[in-house]
Amino acid sequence: DQQVKQNSPSLSVQEGRISILNCDYTNSMFDYFLWYKKYPAEGPTFLISISSIKDKNEDGRFTVFLNKSAKHLSLHIVPSQPGDSAVYFCAASAMRGFQKLVFGTGTRLLVSP
Amino acid sequence: KAGVTQTPRYLIKTRGQQVTLSCSPISGHRSVSWYQQTPGQGLQFLFEYFSETQRNKGNFPGRFSGRQFSNSRSEMNVSTLELGDSALYLCASSSTGTGGFTEAFFGQGTRLTVV
Repeated sequence: DQQVKQNSPSLSVQEGRISILNCDYTNSMFDYFLWYKKYPAEGPTFLISISSIKDKNEDGRFTVFLNKSAKHLSLHIVPSQPGDSAVYFCAASAMRGFQKLVFGTGTRLLVSP
Repeated sequence: KAGVTQTPRYLIKTRGQQVTLSCSPISGHRSVSWYQQTPGQGLQFLFEYFSETQRNKGNFPGRFSGRQFSNSRSEMNVSTLELGDSALYLCASSSTGTGGFTEAFFGQGTRLTVV
């Protein structure tokens, strides 16, 4: 049972344009969401997070939107840069005070010059 | 501030052997969690330790175990290795423990290959 889903395995965008990565979840108990960026054979790098009490969180070029009623979140990267090319994972947590993340399957982003 | 350090980076073991992986968390972080990444199953939670106690456990067989020391360093052990245990093992540390949500910061991982 995949509780966190990233339905697009890959996404290609041109440098300077917007990248939108999507994530859906099924567990209504999730109330904290994170996005990580990952290169092969390395650990995930934390990008941005959002609590369920918010619907938007911004950090530089990265913005995460949360739609609780639709159980959907998205990561916007504006403007996209070639260095953003990596696999992006969304993750969710339902245990306040504990550290147990449920990860999506990832979306490979390719930003071309 | 040093990040999460995992050793070794690469390991090759034979079926039936056991292996121990090590993780040093970010200074001041008391929570250490472990994840397994495989092409077929993605990133899956193994267990979490906080103040030397296992707080959470994922859906893995008892061959997977861990411990945490008083300095928050953690080790993970896999006994009776199987070919399917070949994976990237990731350790994450966080300052979780106060009741709120905090981010988990990952190490570079240990690539285990079982032959």
